[in-house]
Amino acid sequence: SQKIEQNSEALNIQEGKTATLTCNYTNYSPAYLQWYRQDPGRGPVFLLLIRENEKEKRKERLKVTFDTTLKQSLFHITASQPADSATYLCALEASGSARQLTFGSGTQLTVLP
Amino acid sequence: EADIYQTPRYLVIGTGKKITLECSQTMGHDKMYWYQQDPGMELHLIHYSYGVNSTEKGDLSSESTVSRIRTEHFPLTLESARPSHTSQYLCASSDPWMETQYFGPGTRLLVL
Repeated sequence: SQKIEQNSEALNIQEGKTATLTCNYTNYSPAYLQWYRQDPGRGPVFLLLIRENEKEKRKERLKVTFDTTLKQSLFHITASQPADSATYLCALEASGSARQLTFGSGTQLTVLP
Repeated sequence: EADIYQTPRYLVIGTGKKITLECSQTMGHDKMYWYQQDPGMELHLIHYSYGVNSTEKGDLSSESTVSRIRTEHFPLTLESARPSHTSQYLCASSDPWMETQYFGPGTRLLVL
């Protein structure tokens, strides 16, 4: 069956360090993969989209990589700040699925001052 | 900030009541979605619509129903609420070119 797995444990890092979050998937052939941020009690907010033919995407302090051979995406936040503390979700849209997204359960990131 | 709104934000009701969760967007998006999310868990798609008079069930079975009479409005209805319906309900819409989804703030429902 199709499965999306994110870091099961919460991630705590020190301010200024780089946070790296992992998204692994099985039995998908995604046309693209997306990352969202979700704060407590709020809806997710879109951050980045990376397509199957792209290896890396950057936006300000964010970087996403996509390895379709390993079936893995890595999400990096450089020079992390306490304001980056949130839950980060990856989402996949499989080819031919009529543009629906399936979300992972997310990784809770806490950046300590 | 996305222009998608949900009301109410919080709702506490008794078992057996009929409720409607409202969702509206001002972006003119054809595609709209309802997700259910329990604390610390993944979002599950329960309903979606690709335009007026189009509604489909998602991958998570739900006793709720939806309607899409106007492009901007996608309400979700529970005819008889039960404690098992307690959850957070998130509405979203998507841009047909960017394939990303814009979410509302959610409705947190508690059925006693």
